[in-house]
Amino acid sequence: GQQLNQSPQSMFIQEGEDVSMNCTSSSIFNTWLWYKQDPGEGPVLLIALYKAGELTSNGRLTAQFGITRKDSFLNISASIPSDVGIYFCAGNKDSNYQLIWGAGTKLIIKP
Amino acid sequence: EADIYQTPRYLVIGTGKKITLECSQTMGHDKMYWYQQDPGMELHLIHYSYGVNSTEKGDLSSESTVSRIRTEHFPLTLESARPSHTSQYLCASSGDLGSTTDTQYFGPGTRLTVL
Repeated sequence: GQQLNQSPQSMFIQEGEDVSMNCTSSSIFNTWLWYKQDPGEGPVLLIALYKAGELTSNGRLTAQFGITRKDSFLNISASIPSDVGIYFCAGNKDSNYQLIWGAGTKLIIKP
Repeated sequence: EADIYQTPRYLVIGTGKKITLECSQTMGHDKMYWYQQDPGMELHLIHYSYGVNSTEKGDLSSESTVSRIRTEHFPLTLESARPSHTSQYLCASSGDLGSTTDTQYFGPGTRLTVL
């Protein structure tokens, strides 16, 4: 069953707006990863987080590993048209290297 | 940038055909994975391998099979394709030898349509 709750499911935003999405779980995670997927392509890694409390930026993207180790958020500042796509969070909570995936947040920019 | 390749990118075939989806990576990663994903939906792990001659089934039951004879190569085979197999298949790899990192890098995917 779904072990990661990713929200929102979709977002309609204006170009230039800031975006925020998050993933939560009732379990403790050791790693949080954020990916972006364009239609017909594989997910591309945006940010990887390995320590509780870690705050990491990649250009206009910022992600944090929650201090409780049960959540993570991703922020995008000043959105642009190429930010459109589906953003997935993924985490690892065991030592078996398998990832648990969120259901994705679909980002749509209003014309 | 990750060096992981999948061929073909698109495949349309008839029911009953045998197909093999290719996946190769040049990063020396010991772990490789196959996911199945319907458009816009979450990823489901169908197979994984932690090294040569090691393969396991994932959380989602699949009629496909995999092999890992070489570190860099992880092909997926469907012996007899059916319309229910229509989906996107994504290959990923992670972890330099001896590393504990869980970061997975993905190929571009194969979009399979079975008529």
